[in-house]
Amino acid sequence: NAGVTQTPKFQVLKTGQSMTLQCAQDMNHEYMSWYRQDPGMGLRLIHYSVGAGITDQGEVPNGYNVSRSTTEDFPLRLLSAAPSQTSVYFCASSRGVQGVNEQFFGPGTRLTVL
Amino acid sequence: ELKVEQNPLFLSMQEGKNYTIYCNYSTTSDRLYWYRQDPGKSLESLFVLLSNGAVKQEGRLMASLDTKARLSTLHITAAVHDLSATYFCAALSRDSNYQLIWGAGTKLIIKP
Repeated sequence: NAGVTQTPKFQVLKTGQSMTLQCAQDMNHEYMSWYRQDPGMGLRLIHYSVGAGITDQGEVPNGYNVSRSTTEDFPLRLLSAAPSQTSVYFCASSRGVQGVNEQFFGPGTRLTVL
Repeated sequence: ELKVEQNPLFLSMQEGKNYTIYCNYSTTSDRLYWYRQDPGKSLESLFVLLSNGAVKQEGRLMASLDTKARLSTLHITAAVHDLSATYFCAALSRDSNYQLIWGAGTKLIIKP
C-alpha cells in the first residue's frame, strides 16, 4: 500500500494564481481531511470529507475548495492564492465516517505564495 | 470551544533522563491523540487514548489520560537521541463535528 500520497511536494505561486493540491489514499478510508501547518500553531483543519460526495468546512476554509468524487481522491483547490496561504499542507485519512480513529498523513506539500 | 495547550513548547534534555510533556484541554473530550513529527516530515500516530485512566506504552514513551483533569501526559523514560522530534497532542471535539483540535507541538531535542 502506498498509503496517503500528495503532489506536488513543493510549489511556488504568485499572488492571484490558482492551483490544485492532489491527495490520494489506497486504504479505502471513508474520512479524509486537509490541514495546514504553520510555525508554532499546530495543525488547523481546512476541509474534510466523510465519504464520496460529502464535504464540509473545517476551522479555516476561506480561500479553499474541495470535492470528493471518489473514495480515493480528495483534491484541495486554492482559488486565488494569497501570501497568507504560504504554509505546509497535509492530507490525512482514517477509517470510519468520523475523524475519531487515528489519522494517516501524507508527506505534505510546501507552498509558498509570493 | 475546545482549546488544546501543550507545555513545554521546547525541551532540550540529555540522553538517559526522564521527562514529561503535558497536554491540557479546555472542555470535555473523550479521545486524545499523540503524534510525532520529524523535521521536514509527515506526522505519525503514536497513541490514541479512549477513556479516563487510559495508559499506553510503546518503548520509552508512555501516554496517559485523565479526563477529569482534562490532562494527558507523554512521559519519556531514559531518553535517547532517536526520540528527538516534535510531539503533538490533539483532542476530539464533539462540538465541532468530531474535528481534531491540535496543540502547538513540543519540540524535543535530546543531546547525546
